[in-house]
Amino acid sequence: NAGVTQTPKFRVLKTGQSMTLLCAQDMNHEYMYWYRQDPGMGLRLIHYSVGEGTTAKGEVPDGYNVSRLKKQNFLLGLESAAPSQTSVYFCASTHYTGELFFGEGSRLTVL
Amino acid sequence: KQEVTQIPAALSVPEGENLVLNCSFTDSAIYNLQWFRQDPGKGLTSLLLIQSSQREQTSGRLNASLDKSSGRSTLYIAASQPGDSATYLCAAPYSGGGADGLTFGKGTHLIIQP
Repeated sequence: NAGVTQTPKFRVLKTGQSMTLLCAQDMNHEYMYWYRQDPGMGLRLIHYSVGEGTTAKGEVPDGYNVSRLKKQNFLLGLESAAPSQTSVYFCASTHYTGELFFGEGSRLTVL
Repeated sequence: KQEVTQIPAALSVPEGENLVLNCSFTDSAIYNLQWFRQDPGKGLTSLLLIQSSQREQTSGRLNASLDKSSGRSTLYIAASQPGDSATYLCAAPYSGGGADGLTFGKGTHLIIQP
């Protein structure tokens, strides 16, 4: 029962470097989301997708890009990482019922 | 804009007590509300999803209620156990059905003392 899988689980970047976080779900869910979790700030939505080929901005989209080329995958990209993007990133997915399923998280440190 | 508030922020109680965690939300035009559990260093696990047509939902020792008119939900934990120690998060849709994501409270950090 894989559910929602995120890779990598840990990554350290230098300021200005780029990287991509991959989220894969095997539940045939239409909707997928990227959140970041920071101490004192809680979970905040970065971008989301309501279906293959669609993406939309969430609460804190600046500095991030996303793509949903395949229904099961949702990629989060950082083109030029900044220390303010040090965070734990969570991917989540849901079908039309609304119950949200989360991955285990990807811990990113930007030096 | 939907805002979700959880009270208390932290709670420490002896094993065996019954607990109530509170959640309030500002936009009552929601289709559902969800409670999650998060263990340290882990992802979120869905505990209960309450549809707007329901007033409560139960799973084992957990019971969640929803009162849309007052903008409140409560999570009741019966006969608490040390394994219940975790952070509990409440989440409501940004708008209506939630296709555009959920807004989360900052959670209640719960410690059950053996």
